[in-house]
Amino acid sequence: DAGITQSPRYKITETGRQVTLMCHQTWSHSYMFWYRQDLGHGLRLIYYSAAADITDKGEVPDGYVVSRSKTENFPLTLESATRSQTSVYFCASSESRGDTEAFFGQGTRLTVV
Amino acid sequence: GENVEQHPSTLSVQEGDSAVIKCTYSDSASNYFPWYKQELGKRPQLIIDIRSNVGEKKDQRIAVTLNKTAKHFSLHITETQPEDSAVYFCAGHPWVATSGTYKYIFGTGTRLKVLA
Repeated sequence: DAGITQSPRYKITETGRQVTLMCHQTWSHSYMFWYRQDLGHGLRLIYYSAAADITDKGEVPDGYVVSRSKTENFPLTLESATRSQTSVYFCASSESRGDTEAFFGQGTRLTVV
Repeated sequence: GENVEQHPSTLSVQEGDSAVIKCTYSDSASNYFPWYKQELGKRPQLIIDIRSNVGEKKDQRIAVTLNKTAKHFSLHITETQPEDSAVYFCAGHPWVATSGTYKYIFGTGTRLKVLA
């Protein structure tokens, strides 16, 4: 199906473990973004990518790693999960130049215990 | 760096009344100003956007106005209905000169409650 999909939808992990959240889009959009959503903080940008092999930090990048070897995939890795990383994570994509509508995935609810 | 401030954080209105949400931005080079709606448990979705060469844009009961001199843009919802209850986000689109890319950052959101 066309669109942007995230997996898993829900994840529970233990403190200190590595976890990877997946994001896949079928539109060949150049830009992809990762956000975390916490109550009272809105949507905060973690990392973004303007094209394959081009990534840059957002507002809250510490503790996260991204890669983009293919245009359609943009995985987010928590290298050593902490309780403060419990959140809802949204992936999004937009067309070239990035100053256009962003399309969001359905989100991943991550709980770190 | 770019900052997007959104007010108010919560807004309650009676059904049928109007609602106004305001955002200010700091990057004078910004040229794209979108608004997103997020219903409970759902993903954010674009409801309206405006570019810097336009002062106002309207789509049925929603409108966005832009004041580039003052660096603010506002979402207006008229004749509010219960289904308008949601969280609304504005977004800013600063150009990052060091990497030649655009960021896409959001305001902190406004929780709108339409009271029947």
